[in-house]
Amino acid sequence: AQSVTQPDIHITVSEGASLELRCNYSYGATPYLFWYVQSPGQGLQLLLKYFSGDTLVQGIKGFEAEFKRSQSSFNLRKPSVHWSDAAEYFCAVGAASNTGKLIFGQGTTLQVKP
Amino acid sequence: NAGVTQTPKFRVLKTGQSMTLLCAQDMNHEYMYWYRQDPGMGLRLIHYSVGEGTTAKGEVPDGYNVSRLKKQNFLLGLESAAPSQTSVYFCASSPTRPGLYEQYFGPGTRLTVT
Repeated sequence: AQSVTQPDIHITVSEGASLELRCNYSYGATPYLFWYVQSPGQGLQLLLKYFSGDTLVQGIKGFEAEFKRSQSSFNLRKPSVHWSDAAEYFCAVGAASNTGKLIFGQGTTLQVKP
Repeated sequence: NAGVTQTPKFRVLKTGQSMTLLCAQDMNHEYMYWYRQDPGMGLRLIHYSVGEGTTAKGEVPDGYNVSRLKKQNFLLGLESAAPSQTSVYFCASSPTRPGLYEQYFGPGTRLTVT
């Protein structure tokens, strides 16, 4: 069965430091992968997506993610974190059906220290 | 465009009461989804719809019903609310290909059942 695991429930980084959020997926074929961000009290916003092609994808707000098939991973990165990046981040994989369903990880809460 | 809107934003129910959550989208999307978000569990799919007049069960459908009488609206009903249904509910919509899986989320409804 398809699944997504985000090993880190909570991460704290200093403002200006680099960031990497981990995501591992379980899926037999080439997956459709996504990262969403949820600011406090808000809905989810799409950061970036991977469908095929270049394994390094760029998203909004300076984020990028790299698809590594051999490691079943799709880690999210940002070279320099801003205080406004404090939020909850969700990795998701498209379900193996033509319904647009997504399977979400448990989420990682990012705290940014001044 | 308003995108995806949800009504109401907050609600408190007593056990056994019923209510309907309304989701509306103005992007002419075919697909719509209802999720619940609970701490540490990510987003779990309750029901979804791949078009007007069609609905299907998701991961956690028990205790909920849905209807999609108009393409732009997706209603989630709780017939007899239980404390276990205390949660934040999100509605989302997505287009068909090539945008399938790119879900757009509403701001959420925070429901408390006492």
